[in-house]
Amino acid sequence: EVQLVESGGRLVQPGRTLRLSCVASGFTFHNHAIHWVRQVPGKGLEWVSGISWNSASIAYADSVRGRITISRDNARNSVYLQMNSLKPEDTAFYFCARGAVATIEYFFESWGQGTLVTVSS
Amino acid sequence: QPVVTQPPSASASLGASVTLTCTLNSGYSNYIVAWYQQRPGKGPRFVMRVATGGIVGSRGEGIPGRFSVLGSGLNRYLTIKNIQEEDEGDYHCGADHGDGSNFVYVFGPGTRVTVL
Repeated sequence: EVQLVESGGRLVQPGRTLRLSCVASGFTFHNHAIHWVRQVPGKGLEWVSGISWNSASIAYADSVRGRITISRDNARNSVYLQMNSLKPEDTAFYFCARGAVATIEYFFESWGQGTLVTVSS
Repeated sequence: QPVVTQPPSASASLGASVTLTCTLNSGYSNYIVAWYQQRPGKGPRFVMRVATGGIVGSRGEGIPGRFSVLGSGLNRYLTIKNIQEEDEGDYHCGADHGDGSNFVYVFGPGTRVTVL
């Protein structure tokens, strides 16, 4: 069974940093790109970032570029999202999603349950 | 990059059918759209992809045959026949654009489906 488990979400003050983790199981991790998608409670989905199987291709949404860094460790079946200079508008559930292919294109086949990031003083 | 729009809500009586619409903006009629289901309190779940020629690839894991798609012009449709209580939730559509570091993925605002 494919599983994606996010962790690291918590209450954090504006301007601070936070690192989210996504641990995958049930599939050959290095055969797939991994993405982060966020959702403000009660609102729609927003794609945040994606990383290809070998980290050669990385993309970011304009809303987070320069403040967020995605990385992966294939030996640990894990993807990370380093979030700096957090803003109240970053408050959302953050979902980890498995890409359909090894490169970052196309769509998201499987999703985690999400981790909640709350940015507030 | 594409812009995707969806009506905010739809409803159908138990056992009836409902069709959801996802609309691309002008110039993107050849784009493939993916549909995702999100039940209350859960993460999204891939349903299937659709182009103007119909389904692209396979249904997502566990998606029943009651779900089907069609595409026409700028519109991509998801139809749920014999709707069940478990089908209630939000339905998001999205499309990818670009590749490599220029990749972006655009979601519509979502349609909330209520089973009456």
